[in-house]
Amino acid sequence: EVRLLESGGKFIQPGGSLKLSCTASGFTFKKFAMSWVRQAPGKGLEWVSGVAAGDGTKYYADSVKGRFTISSDVSENTLFLQMNSLRADDSGVYFCAKEWGAIGTPLFDFWGQGTLVTVSS
Amino acid sequence: EIVLTQSPGTLSLSPGERATLSCRASQSVKNNYLAWYQQKPGLAPRLLIYAASSRATGIPDRFSGSGSGTDFTLTISRLQLEDFVVYYCQQYDGSVTFGGGTKVEIK
Repeated sequence: EVRLLESGGKFIQPGGSLKLSCTASGFTFKKFAMSWVRQAPGKGLEWVSGVAAGDGTKYYADSVKGRFTISSDVSENTLFLQMNSLRADDSGVYFCAKEWGAIGTPLFDFWGQGTLVTVSS
Repeated sequence: EIVLTQSPGTLSLSPGERATLSCRASQSVKNNYLAWYQQKPGLAPRLLIYAASSRATGIPDRFSGSGSGTDFTLTISRLQLEDFVVYYCQQYDGSVTFGGGTKVEIK
């Protein structure tokens, strides 16, 4: 059974930094691309960042480029999202999502339960 | 960037009725790489349909997808109580964008 468990979300002031983690199990982590998708309170879904399997190519939404960094530790089956220079509009639930393939098909077949990030003064 | 517009924003129907949800793309979605997700309150989205018309594993056959190019439809043939939630479309033709969602509510 595929399981994705996020952690690291918390209340933080604008300008601060936060690192989210997503621990995966039930599939061969190194063979699949992974993404972060967020959802502001009461709003829709927004893809944030993804990392391809194999060469580890990283992708970012324009809204987070230069501030967020995605990474993974295949030995620990864990995905990370380092978030710097946080703003109020970065607030929301951050979901870790497994992609269908290794690269190029960002179709999300499994999702974690999400972790809440609140950026406010 | 491909913009996806979902309509209606809210759909009011009764259990047992048929629901038709629309997703229109600002440009053609190559390979019909269009997916539908269902999201229940407080939970993560669940993949229902991929490649416009293929049901994901374990999805009941009352859910069906159709369309191509710029116009796509999710149909729920006979609404059950657990279907009254929010649905999102998503294109995955290289980049990723989601539609704004359609809420299906009980009339």
